[in-house]
Amino acid sequence: GDSVTQMEGPVTLSEEAFLTINCTYTATGYPSLFWYVQYPGEGLQLLLKATKADDKGSNKGFEATYRKETTSFHLEKGSVQVSDSAVYFCALSDDSWGKFQFGAGTQVVVTP
Amino acid sequence: SAVISQKPSRDICQRGTSLTIQCQVDSQVTMMFWYRQQPGQSLTLIATANQGSEATYESGFVIDKFPISRPNLTFSTLTVSNMSPEDSSIYLCSVEGALGTGELFFGEGSRLTVL
Repeated sequence: GDSVTQMEGPVTLSEEAFLTINCTYTATGYPSLFWYVQYPGEGLQLLLKATKADDKGSNKGFEATYRKETTSFHLEKGSVQVSDSAVYFCALSDDSWGKFQFGAGTQVVVTP
Repeated sequence: SAVISQKPSRDICQRGTSLTIQCQVDSQVTMMFWYRQQPGQSLTLIATANQGSEATYESGFVIDKFPISRPNLTFSTLTVSNMSPEDSSIYLCSVEGALGTGELFFGEGSRLTVL
């Protein structure tokens, strides 16, 4: 079945550092790929998405490119802020009926 | 986007009891989804709830343990029955975004602790 694997956390960074969170997937079809973020005390929010190979999703300075050849969707941000401290989930959806597979989540802690 | 409200936001429950979680959406939606997020783990889909029909459960989840109601297009409930400490989790209600976008919107979750 479909699955998502993302790097374990916690990832601790200093403010303005470069952030990468690796995400790889297995899927039988052509999934859409997502990154969700969960800030402390809040629900999950969509951060960005890509629906086909070579698409780049971007939002709030974060980027991720859908790489079909490496089945990856790594999340990057060039300069993190303390406010980026959160748990980040990589996810895929292989159909249009809301059935998602989520990665285990990666906690990111950004220190001043 | 959709605004989703869940109640309760958190609760502490005794073993063997049942608790019903409510999910209210600010717009009419066809499908609502219930997820579980166990401590330190990812989200797992419990079931999909359509209005007017029985919920569809994922492997490992059964109606007797997690009965779901979907009385209208803006509301759903999930009951966690005969709870044990292993049921301590965050339970999340979600709905799909506009048709074709493939996005999910989530409530803030209901954090249950079973003693």
